[in-house]
Amino acid sequence: GAVVSQHPSWVICKSGTSVKIECRSLDFQATTMFWYRQFPKQSLMLMATSNEGSKATYEQGVEKDKFLINHASLTLSTLTVTSAHPEDSSFYICSAGGSTATSGADTQYFGPGTRLTVL
Amino acid sequence: GDSVTQMEGPVTLSEEAFLTINCTYTATGYPSLFWYVQYPGEGLQLLLKATKADDKGSNKGFEATYRKETTSFHLEKGSVQVSDSAVYFCALSVQGGSEKLVFGKGTKLTVNP
Repeated sequence: GAVVSQHPSWVICKSGTSVKIECRSLDFQATTMFWYRQFPKQSLMLMATSNEGSKATYEQGVEKDKFLINHASLTLSTLTVTSAHPEDSSFYICSAGGSTATSGADTQYFGPGTRLTVL
Repeated sequence: GDSVTQMEGPVTLSEEAFLTINCTYTATGYPSLFWYVQYPGEGLQLLLKATKADDKGSNKGFEATYRKETTSFHLEKGSVQVSDSAVYFCALSVQGGSEKLVFGKGTKLTVNP
């Protein structure tokens, strides 16, 4: 099946620093990638949608200058949390959308997530 | 706007018990419906999906039927196992699976031996 990886799986950083999270589709080309944020015991909140080669579309209330998204290729998207603060601590999950031989139709495949802790 | 409401958890069952997790939705278009499962320490995995009314999605003994008349997509399994312990998310997508998903809040299931 389709595999999406994220790196790192967890990161701890100091307040004010920037953190980059990578999301890769390993065995298929992802025309669209999504970034979610998941708070403890809550659902996933969509942050932004990115299509390869174009600017990301951010959801209402998400600061695009703080959460920089780059989708430079069909297999890689990155999320950079700039000038991170403790309130940015969360679980960040990416998903990649695309057709595979097994799904037969557009489906989203999720990465394992990245736990960010800002001290 | 589009939304998904699923039953509050947590749900605790004994092994081999019958499982139902309710899910209802509100959508302006004709959504595709999904159930995702998140095992402890792992990312979300697609469990099953249905793309049109009266479709039944099934996988690993789980089933859910797309009911347009009741705007529901309840998840069922006849006999749960300890390994089914996870968080289950109901979700919809108005323009097919590769467009953005709207998730319910998730229901944590614990199955005891």
